[in-house]
Amino acid sequence: QLQLQESGPGLVKPSETLSLNCTVSGGSISSSSYYWGWIRQPPGKGLEWIGSIYYSGNTYYNPSLKSRVTICVDTPKNQVSLKLSSVTAADTAVYYCARVVVYPQYYFDYWGQGTLVTVSS
Amino acid sequence: EIVLTQSPGTLSLSPGERATLSCRASQSVSSRYLAWYQQKPGQAPRLLIYGASSRATGIPDRFSGSGSGTDFTLTISRLEPEDFAVYYCQQYGSSPLTFGGGTKVEIK
Repeated sequence: QLQLQESGPGLVKPSETLSLNCTVSGGSISSSSYYWGWIRQPPGKGLEWIGSIYYSGNTYYNPSLKSRVTICVDTPKNQVSLKLSSVTAADTAVYYCARVVVYPQYYFDYWGQGTLVTVSS
Repeated sequence: EIVLTQSPGTLSLSPGERATLSCRASQSVSSRYLAWYQQKPGQAPRLLIYGASSRATGIPDRFSGSGSGTDFTLTISRLEPEDFAVYYCQQYGSSPLTFGGGTKVEIK
């Protein structure tokens, strides 16, 4: 059974960089059939796609965040990472990683449990 | 950017009743790229429907999806106690991928 687990600091100071990892178990991040994505959800609000990455490193970002986001893969560790720079209180959210089926449809079929990141001094 | 508008915002129903949730897109979306998710408090979203009408693995057949173009519907034929949750639609017909604002199905 595929499992995804997000990890990283739960508290980040304004203007600093948020860094999270997603460790995938029960399957290979190098599978040619899938992308891997990050989605976030501010407390009490809806879902926002951050970006997606293929194991080769090919990435797609939400234009609203593109200038501040970097998503990478570490295939030996079976991990996907997220970096979001210059954070503000508006970046406070639960951050999820998810597996992305991209063909012939596009959807997130497996999700991590999510990790809450609070931006505060 | 394609905006997905879900209605109603909240649906108050009793167990055993039928729930009909709407997702309207600001521009046409290929059915291939429309999905529905269920989210319960404190949990990650769970995939219900992909390709507008295909049920994900393990999803009961009381859940069904339909629609095309700009109008999509999620129907729960008979609400079970565990179905009371928030439901989101999602599209990736064009970038950026977007989610609807959600419909909360609550116990009446």
